[in-house]
Amino acid sequence: DQQVKQNSPSLSVQEGRISILNCDYTNSMFDYFLWYKKYPAEGPTFLISISSIKDKNEDGRFTVFLNKSAKHLSLHIVPSQPGDSAVYFCAAKDSGAGSYQLTFGKGTKLSVIP
Amino acid sequence: NAGVTQTPKFRVLKTGQSMTLLCAQDMNHEYMYWYRQDPGMGLRLIHYSVGEGTTAKGEVPDGYNVSRLKKQNFLLGLESAAPSQTSVYFCASSYPPVPSQHFGDGTRLSIL
Repeated sequence: DQQVKQNSPSLSVQEGRISILNCDYTNSMFDYFLWYKKYPAEGPTFLISISSIKDKNEDGRFTVFLNKSAKHLSLHIVPSQPGDSAVYFCAAKDSGAGSYQLTFGKGTKLSVIP
Repeated sequence: NAGVTQTPKFRVLKTGQSMTLLCAQDMNHEYMYWYRQDPGMGLRLIHYSVGEGTTAKGEVPDGYNVSRLKKQNFLLGLESAAPSQTSVYFCASSYPPVPSQHFGDGTRLSIL
């Protein structure tokens, strides 16, 4: 059973507009959430994260919002740039897992159109 | 400034052959992980290690073995490769309590 779900396999956005990537989770024990960005033929790179005690975290053009009651988080990219075209993975850490394991969603491929 | 280095980058094997994938990190990270990524499946954890000399099973451990003889290295072995193990393999490391993991660029493995 998927504990982290990214229901949109792909998303296309015009350059300069806002990109919103969504992620839902089912495990109430998740206490930390991360977004990774992945270009073809490269490994995922950490983008931004949020603790479950917060509802928003911002870093430049990237903002992550967390709605614990809905078990939903989203990544906003404003303004979107062609270089943002990549696959974005949502990941979550279980507070009970001493190994700091992450559970990943299946990813959303973002295409930013010039 | 290498971070996490994976070797080899590409490999083609025949069914039944064995091989070892090497992961090396130069960040003095305590924890290391092996994932596989299949189309439409995201990243799935194979095995992980919380320190030198320790290993543990992840979500999809069958058909794989690992060893962590040195803190900086984490080896993933396939004893008898099967076509179902065709995948892209990623190694990652982390330094708790920071949850974020640093990834290598992957090994693309094809088993015929």
